[in-house]
This record gives sequence, structure tokens and C-alpha cells, in this order.
Amino acid sequence: KNQVEQSPQSLIILEGKNCTLQCNYTVSPFSNLRWYKQDTGRGPVSLTIMTFSENTKSNGRYTATLDADTKQSSLHITASQLSDSASYICVVTDRGSTLGRLYFGRGTQLTVWP
Amino acid sequence: EADIYQTPRYLVIGTGKKITLECSQTMGHDKMYWYQQDPGMELHLIHYSYGVNSTEKGDLSSESTVSRIRTEHFPLTLESARPSHTSQYLCASSGLAQSTDTQYFGPGTRLTVL
Repeated sequence: KNQVEQSPQSLIILEGKNCTLQCNYTVSPFSNLRWYKQDTGRGPVSLTIMTFSENTKSNGRYTATLDADTKQSSLHITASQLSDSASYICVVTDRGSTLGRLYFGRGTQLTVWP
Repeated sequence: EADIYQTPRYLVIGTGKKITLECSQTMGHDKMYWYQQDPGMELHLIHYSYGVNSTEKGDLSSESTVSRIRTEHFPLTLESARPSHTSQYLCASSGLAQSTDTQYFGPGTRLTVL
């Protein structure tokens, strides 16, 4: 069964600290993996996308890694800011479907305290 | 910032009413999607469209219907709202003919049925 599991479910950190969010997936055949940021009451916004051959991708203070062999990804946030408070969603695309079927994790709710 | 819009942002309505959630995008994307998301849960695809006059049901069974008469417009209709329809509804669009294209999300409509 194709699934995307994220951990931790929620995380509280102090402003300026770093943190790492985890994503494990069983989606096969694999096409790509995205990390989205979803602010409360808003739609998700894409942060990074990685295909099978890529093992790291950065977007400012966000760095995503991918290990396609172990089917794991992580999102590292450096020098956190209050505006980083949001839900971070891991999304894996299935290469086997015409539509490019997306499998969503439940997200990690990150809260950054001053 | 993605040019995809949803109205209304919030809707509180009584049981049995007919409602239409609007979604419009100005990016000329062919593919559009509707997702349903409950608090703390993953997004579930309920409808999608490859282009004008194309609509398909998603993975999650939904009593809603959609139409795609114009490229930029993808409204979702509930003929008779029920409390079980209370949820957040997210519209998205994507433009490329391959599975690696990014979906851009609207801000969502928070629906509450009393």
C-alpha cells in the first residue's frame, strides 16, 4: 500500500534554532518528492522538489534530502524564524499513473516561539 | 505567488442548502484539482480535470460534482449540504503534461454545515 508517514507530528522550537523533519514513504514506482509549507488557513506552497537522482535540494534556509534506496526524506530548517510556524507536508508522486498520483503525508506542525 | 483564487474563503450554511465553491486560475493551466482536508489530516483528492469538458472522480468518494466549461474555472457544487461535508476544500492547478509538474494551491474554502 502506498503511504507517506511523517514525524514528528508536531514540534516546538525557539526562534533561531535549527530543526529537521522526517518523511518515510512506500510509494512505488517513485517519480518525485516534494515538501510543501502550509500556513494556517492557507493552501500549501511548494518548497522543494526532488527526483530519483537528486539527493539534496536547497531553497533559502530550507534544505531537503532524499535517500531513494531507504525511501526516506528530511527537511532541515536553519535559523528558524517566527514565520516558519506552519505545517510541513511531504508529498510523493507515483510514476505509474497517467495523472501523476500524489500521496500526501499528514504533515508536521512546526511552532517557532520567540 | 500562485494566481489561483477560491471564493468564498469561509462559508457557514444550514443542512440541505445547495452551495457552489468557486475556483479560478489565471496561469492557463490545463489540469485542475479539488482536495478535501480535515484538521491534522492529509489532503484527499476528490475531483480532477485534464482540461475543458474533462472531469474525473478522485480517490475519496464525494457527493459533490464539478464542471469545467472554461480552462480557468473549476467550480465544485454540493446539491444538498450535510454536516458530514464540513471540511476545508482546496483547489489546485498544474500546467505541464508530465508528472513532475508542481501543483499550485488556492487559499482554500472552510465549509461548515450546521
